[in-house]
Amino acid sequence: KAGVTQTPRYLIKTRGQQVTLSCSPISGHRSVSWYQQTPGQGLQFLFEYFSETQRNKGNFPGRFSGRQFSNSRSEMNVSTLELGDSALYLCASSLLSEPRLAGNEQFFGPGTRLTVL
Amino acid sequence: AQKVTQAQTEISVVEKEDVTLDCVYETRDTTYYLFWYKQPPSGELVFLIRRNSFDEQNEISGRYSWNFQKSTSSFNFTITASQVVDSAVYFCALSEEYGEGAQKLVFGQGTRLTINP
Repeated sequence: KAGVTQTPRYLIKTRGQQVTLSCSPISGHRSVSWYQQTPGQGLQFLFEYFSETQRNKGNFPGRFSGRQFSNSRSEMNVSTLELGDSALYLCASSLLSEPRLAGNEQFFGPGTRLTVL
Repeated sequence: AQKVTQAQTEISVVEKEDVTLDCVYETRDTTYYLFWYKQPPSGELVFLIRRNSFDEQNEISGRYSWNFQKSTSSFNFTITASQVVDSAVYFCALSEEYGEGAQKLVFGQGTRLTINP
């Protein structure tokens, strides 16, 4: 079974631009979560989608947004990029038997490393 | 609020030594899940173990073992007879049972483990 895939793997942008990152979950997984990893703040939860609905959002500004498609693939978008947005963005998928029940193992992709110049 | 603390930022040992990674957590929930993930240099988070708050039985998997103690809110991870391939950053994480926090992992800052030959 293929794992979680993320594209692109590396991205270089300049301040003020916007960026879209893509995540394809493991087949059959309906929950997709996004995390930002930086040396200073560590791993922080961005948001989670289940059945095309955002169910949970972390403490990030509105410049960070996302969506999920009917095939469970997800995209996240960052508008008006700032230098501090440079990070590794990780996507994770999970097979949920109950939409609001946690404890399911999350499978992570390799991440997209975004550099903002 | 949930919080996970990994007090050891970096650990360096010689191969074949045993090493324990500490994890202390805070939560007001009575039901929650604890996880350990490994992040090798490639960046992808690799799931190691999941524990729910009602299962305090210690677990052993090969050279890995986990000690969960609710009384001290700790979930420590021990590698026995460490190997160079164990070198990575290890993260402890916490998830609420269900509801708005479902599928939201709160991570510790990570412990960078270096096994020297």
